[in-house]
Amino acid sequence: QQPVQSPQAVILREGEDAVINCSSSKALYSVHWYRQKHGEAPVFLMILLKGGEQKGHEKISASFNEKKQQSSLYLTASQLSYSGTYFCGTELSHSGYSTLTFGKGTMLLVSP
Amino acid sequence: DGGITQSPKYLFRKEGQNVTLSCEQNLNHDAMYWYRQDPGQGLRLIYYSQIVNDFQKGDIAEGYSVSREKKESFPLTVTSAQKNPTAFYLCASMGGVTDTQYFGPGTRLTVL
Repeated sequence: QQPVQSPQAVILREGEDAVINCSSSKALYSVHWYRQKHGEAPVFLMILLKGGEQKGHEKISASFNEKKQQSSLYLTASQLSYSGTYFCGTELSHSGYSTLTFGKGTMLLVSP
Repeated sequence: DGGITQSPKYLFRKEGQNVTLSCEQNLNHDAMYWYRQDPGQGLRLIYYSQIVNDFQKGDIAEGYSVSREKKESFPLTVTSAQKNPTAFYLCASMGGVTDTQYFGPGTRLTVL
């Protein structure tokens, strides 16, 4: 089942903060966050695992609430380069045949 | 440099023609994936493969076919049976320290 992302879009001025959420109706093993610029490939930002482990870019902050099956991506002191569409991909279990199911994305625009 | 390459970047085809999209990786990853991206839809899984000579259907496999004869290569054929093939196609592989998916630059297919 596709995770639900919110908000669908957000507009910020440079220096402002934003939170992007990703919710699942099923228990998750991991949540993967990506940012995609128009016409380009998604770029990996962070992975959050069941049990609290996180791997990814040091400047990116995120959380994973296992009780709610919800992950949040925190973008603080936003820069122009943060603009793009953010996707979460969820993994129900980790095995040799695991796949990610992606949300529809959250479009972020940072203006000067 | 390690990475994923896709070719061509832009592809035009006439209705009724089959077309093959290339995906090559030198990351030594076992798992490879094909996604289709349409505006506002996020990424939808077409096919995936965990090992050579083995692959599984994703959520929208109808009208597509794949092969995995080599670990490095996972080509996707869009057949004439695919009713609405115009889209942005992304190839990914999974592995590494973060055990997440890494994407190629994509191929934009337009059916004329």
